[in-house]
Amino acid sequence: QVQLQQSGPGLVTPSQTLSLTCAISGDSVSSNSAAWNWIRQSPSRGLEWLGRTYYRSKWIHDYAGSVKSRIIINPDTSKNQFSLQLNSVTPEDTAVYYCVRGQIGDRRYFDFWVQGTLVTVSS
Amino acid sequence: DIQMTQSPSSLSASVGDRVTITCRTSQSINSYLNWYQQKPGKAPNLLIYAASTLQSGVPSRFSGGGSGTDFTLTISSLQPEDFATYFCQQSYSSPLTFGGGTKVEIK
Repeated sequence: QVQLQQSGPGLVTPSQTLSLTCAISGDSVSSNSAAWNWIRQSPSRGLEWLGRTYYRSKWIHDYAGSVKSRIIINPDTSKNQFSLQLNSVTPEDTAVYYCVRGQIGDRRYFDFWVQGTLVTVSS
Repeated sequence: DIQMTQSPSSLSASVGDRVTITCRTSQSINSYLNWYQQKPGKAPNLLIYAASTLQSGVPSRFSGGGSGTDFTLTISSLQPEDFATYFCQQSYSSPLTFGGGTKVEIK
């Protein structure tokens, strides 16, 4: 059974960097059939997919245009985890953040979600 | 980006009612449409993928249909545990996008 464990601060100062990590058990960050996603949810923006990373002979990084200039999602194969780095945050980035496994290929969906972490951007 | 329009945004229904939620996309996505259920304080949970395939463990009262740009989620006989918010999501192309949600409340 796949399990995801998310860690990181719940409070970030405006203009600073939001950093979260998602540890994977029951699957591999280098899996040929999965992609590793970050999704957030807020009352104002709803569910918003931020981006993903996955391995297909090389690492692929795919980001939403709304955050493309300030996001990095990195895999860490030594620890079997992946991370989110969102730079230059504003209060608009306040949301519940989820790390999520996605199936890709012929069948494409999000099948395992972490409980989620509320990240508040405030001074 | 593919825009997702869900309707209604909320509905009130009674236990045993048949409920249908619709999702329309701004361009054709073939059958790359998924449905999720979310309860308060919890992460979304996959119900249906590829427009009509029931995820393992999901009750058969849930069904999905449609292709192209118009899709439906139907609950044939609403149960107390079905009161939740439902989201559609397209997996046809990046960026992956979600509908705004439909909150199903008790009448």
